[in-house]
Amino acid sequence: KNEVEQSPQNLTAQEGEFITINCSYSVGISALHWLQQHPGGGIVSLFMLSSGKKKHGRLIATINIQEKHSSLHITASHPRDSAVYICAVKKTSGSRLTFGEGTQLTVNP
Amino acid sequence: EAGVAQSPRYKIIEKRQSVAFWCNPISGHATLYWYQQILGQGPKLLIQFQNNGVVDDSQLPKDRFSAERLKGVDSTLKIQPAKLEDSAVYLCASSRLRGPNTGELFFGEGSRLTVL
Repeated sequence: KNEVEQSPQNLTAQEGEFITINCSYSVGISALHWLQQHPGGGIVSLFMLSSGKKKHGRLIATINIQEKHSSLHITASHPRDSAVYICAVKKTSGSRLTFGEGTQLTVNP
Repeated sequence: EAGVAQSPRYKIIEKRQSVAFWCNPISGHATLYWYQQILGQGPKLLIQFQNNGVVDDSQLPKDRFSAERLKGVDSTLKIQPAKLEDSAVYLCASSRLRGPNTGELFFGEGSRLTVL
């Protein structure tokens, strides 16, 4: 079993829909990252969080440390949100990030 | 502020040839990472530098891969000789060691390697 599990693996939505991507982990962590990767390879860091909730524009990230679970929400989704969303955790032991498999999001107009 | 710069963006070589990738991190970022991302998979850490010292190179195939960050600023990743399975995107990232947003990763656009 992977230490970081994302769901769903693939998600197709209509423009304007509210989207949720989930990340569960099984190890102790000091931080969790949400990353966005568009076709072509470039990765953008969306959030880094260790507790609570963060919001940036239409994106919201939450984390529940006790339940070892984080969610990424996209409100009023748009076709330009189509990308792979990756959850990565920094374990309390060590400095290396452990990555989830990613969620492929497609938003249709 | 300028982002993480990587070059070349694309490289095609034949197996057994050598290749080098260059990365210039964001100014002031002490930590620099090289990741290998094979198509359809998540990034895999090859090496992590803190200033000019190596923090983690446990997943670097040292028989063919080498990396250096001599002056603690820019870095070079070399593959010699290349194998077919080295075809991947090589991502460089950097982060602050202290101060605001410590640990937040900033990635370059990546260098896509195709080995024929």
